[in-house]
Formats: sequence, C-alpha cells, structure tokens
Amino acid sequence: KQEVTQIPAALSVPEGENLVLNCSFTDSAIYNLQWFRQDPGKGLTSLLLIQSSQREQTSGRLNASLDKSSGRSTLYIAASQPGDSATYLCAVLSYGQNFVFGPGTRLSVLP
Amino acid sequence: ETGVTQSPTHLIKTRGQQVTLRCSSQSGHNTVSWYQQALGQGPQFIFQYYREEENGRGNFPPRFSGLQFPNYSSELNVNALELDDSALYLCASSSPGTNEKLFFGSGTQLSVL
Repeated sequence: KQEVTQIPAALSVPEGENLVLNCSFTDSAIYNLQWFRQDPGKGLTSLLLIQSSQREQTSGRLNASLDKSSGRSTLYIAASQPGDSATYLCAVLSYGQNFVFGPGTRLSVLP
Repeated sequence: ETGVTQSPTHLIKTRGQQVTLRCSSQSGHNTVSWYQQALGQGPQFIFQYYREEENGRGNFPPRFSGLQFPNYSSELNVNALELDDSALYLCASSSPGTNEKLFFGSGTQLSVL
C-alpha cells in the first residue's frame, strides 16, 4: 500500500528566498506524481505533473524533480513571493491504485 | 472550456441525516473522483466513476455511495451522517490522454452537528 509523507509540515520564509519542499513515497512503482497548491478552504490547483519516465518538470518559478529509486520528489520554488503562501500537496498515482496524497506543507512567505 | 463545479459550497446537517453533493466535470472529461479532506490532512480517496460505472473505491463504508450520469456529472451521497463526516468534499475530473492529470472543483464544506 502506497504511503506518502511530506516534510516539513510547515515553513515560514521571508520574501525572495528560494525554498525546497519534500515528498516521499514508499512504493517506487508509480505511474506519475503531481504537485498541487491549495488555498484555505478551497480546491486543489495542479502545478506540475511528472510522468514516471521523467526526471523533472518546470513551470515558471517552479521546478519539480522525481527520483523513483529513492522514493522522493522535491518542489523547488524560486524567488518566493507572499502570493505563494498556501498549502502544497503531492499526490502519487501507482499502477492499479488510485491517487494517494501527502498531508501537505503549509507555506507562509512573509513580506 | 468549463472547469469542475461543485454544489453546494457549504452545508450544515445533523447527525443521522442524509446528504447529496453534486459535481459537474470539466468539459470532455469522462472520469470523476471524490475525495474527503479533513482539516489539516491530505485528501482521502472515496471512489471513482468512469463512464457511469464505479471504477475503484477507497476505505469508506457503504453509506458513502455515488452516481455518474450520461453527461459525466456525478453525485456523492452519504447516509446516516456521523460527526466525523465533517470535512471538505472534493470532486476531481480527468480524462484518458491527459496522463491522469486531475482537475479539482472548489469543494463542498460539510459540517455535521
């Protein structure tokens, strides 16, 4: 059974810093991994999707990497802004299973 | 292209009652999944519907049931509500050929008193 964890649970940084969020999963036989953003009380917005055959994906200031063998993914946010404040969740889709989400990292970017 | 819409946005029920939540999938998407998200936790998979058939179910009791209609919209029904059912209920749609990318609605916040 796939299990997904995220570290840290919460993070507070000053505006302009580069930061890394971590996602770990127990079963490396995955189909894809997605990173989402969630604002309080709202739905999830897809940020990046990495297929199992890919090593990384980039969108603007966001870069996500995937290392299946070690069961890890990282989300790198460059030059953080107060508008980046939200909860970031990773979700793993394994073969024959459905998406399993991590608990999220709550990010606060201070002006 | 319309996004995923859910109704209602908020709902208050009492223990033992029944509730129906609704979801309209994104245009062109034939797969709908439902998730329960408790405060401070990640979403938990309830079930998925593909072309009107249940296509996977998470660890939820039978009082959680669903439907998908020919236009791919969907309903989540919960009977005999319990206090622990209080959560944000999220609907997501996807379609083959999109690498299973999920598109979420804004959710329904259910409070059971």
